[in-house]
Amino acid sequence: QVQLQESGPGLVKPSQTLSLTCTVSGGSISSGLYYWSWIRQPAGKGLEYIGRINTKGSTNYTPSFKSRVTISIDTTKNHFSLTLSSVTAADTAVYYCAKRLPAATRPFDIWGQGTMVTVSS
Amino acid sequence: QSALTQPASVSGSPGQSITISCTGSNSDIGAYNYVSWYQLYPGQGPKLIIFDVNNRPSGVSNRFSGSKSGNTASLTISGLQAEDEADYYCNSYTSSTVVVFGGGTKLTVL
Repeated sequence: QVQLQESGPGLVKPSQTLSLTCTVSGGSISSGLYYWSWIRQPAGKGLEYIGRINTKGSTNYTPSFKSRVTISIDTTKNHFSLTLSSVTAADTAVYYCAKRLPAATRPFDIWGQGTMVTVSS
Repeated sequence: QSALTQPASVSGSPGQSITISCTGSNSDIGAYNYVSWYQLYPGQGPKLIIFDVNNRPSGVSNRFSGSKSGNTASLTISGLQAEDEADYYCNSYTSSTVVVFGGGTKLTVL
């Protein structure tokens, strides 16, 4: 059973870049044609989809994040990563990584437990 | 503001049934049978409990069921148990490029 685990700094200063990694265990990140996604939940708010990458490195981002976000994949380390630049307090949230089959109609079947990121000076 | 509308909270007593609604539009729930539901406990990642409107992944209790009518999808939990107290989120495929979730519903078991 594939498991996902997010990691990264819990505190980021305003205007700096947030960087998180999602490590895949229990299977190879490149063994199937999956979409590896990032989703966040600001405090007191609902889930917000950021974007995804597939095992070939093709990405798709929510338009509202597109100018600030990069999702990358490292198959040698079995992980994928999120960078979000020019962060503000509005980017304070729990960040989740998730997996889905390679179609937008498919559900997110595996999630990480989430990592809290606070943007503050 | 979420693209899908859910009630902020619902409550029920043990043994009862509750239903959580998720209202969208003709571009998402009304047009496709690709609604999924997720259960979220504090400090844990979301768990998929319903997909494709009314299908349960292996291992999910049959007390959870899903349905859809028009632009509104629903999650029903029967035989409510204390362990069902959690937040629930809906998600639908949409004709736009954006992935949409509901704002979430907090279920309280009285």
